[in-house]
Amino acid sequence: DVKVTQSSRYLVKRTGEKVFLECVQDMDHENMFWYRQDPGLGLRLIYFSYDVKMKEKGDIPEGYSVSREKKERFSLILESASTNQTSMYLCASNPLAASSYEQYFGPGTRLTVT
Amino acid sequence: AQSVTQLDSQVPVFEEAPVELRCNYSSSVSVYLFWYVQYPNQGLQLLLKYLSGSTLVKGINGFEAEFNKSQTSFHLRKPSVHISDTAEYFCAVSAISNFGNEKLTFGTGTRLTIIP
Repeated sequence: DVKVTQSSRYLVKRTGEKVFLECVQDMDHENMFWYRQDPGLGLRLIYFSYDVKMKEKGDIPEGYSVSREKKERFSLILESASTNQTSMYLCASNPLAASSYEQYFGPGTRLTVT
Repeated sequence: AQSVTQLDSQVPVFEEAPVELRCNYSSSVSVYLFWYVQYPNQGLQLLLKYLSGSTLVKGINGFEAEFNKSQTSFHLRKPSVHISDTAEYFCAVSAISNFGNEKLTFGTGTRLTIIP
């Protein structure tokens, strides 16, 4: 079974704090993704990575950065958290295979910025 | 680029009644299609996927979906729902390519509520 884990289920941070969200997958997947989920907006892609030290911007990268130093770990960084970054954050991964693009999701981190 | 439309944001259904959740997509290239389910306070779980072959796809928990290329639709159906089907359902598409790093584009989701 593919396992994607996220470091926290719930997180409360103050405005201006630097926030790290960690994601680890155990299936040797090349691709990893960070989404945010908001009511009525569905899932929106923030950043993705298809290899160690590689990253590409998604649809809403502003205010975020990422780090991928090891294949199994993909971190999302909020340099200076703001209240409009209060959201559910979901990490996903999948293998670099042409036959299927199913993504495997972690349980999510619900971040509240006060 | 691809886009996905889920017209129904909320669908209430009585227990043991049938349900259809609608999904339409737009794309200039061929696509793969997916339905994901999110139970309360959990991540997303794949319900079913269409990659090729038969246009009627069966998934977990008794759900099925039909790919209709001419109508660019991929509606999700279940003949008899249970309380445990209460969840949010997301339709998603990805472009078919040889690179293997295509992105998924999600719809805005449909919240299915089962009424006892």
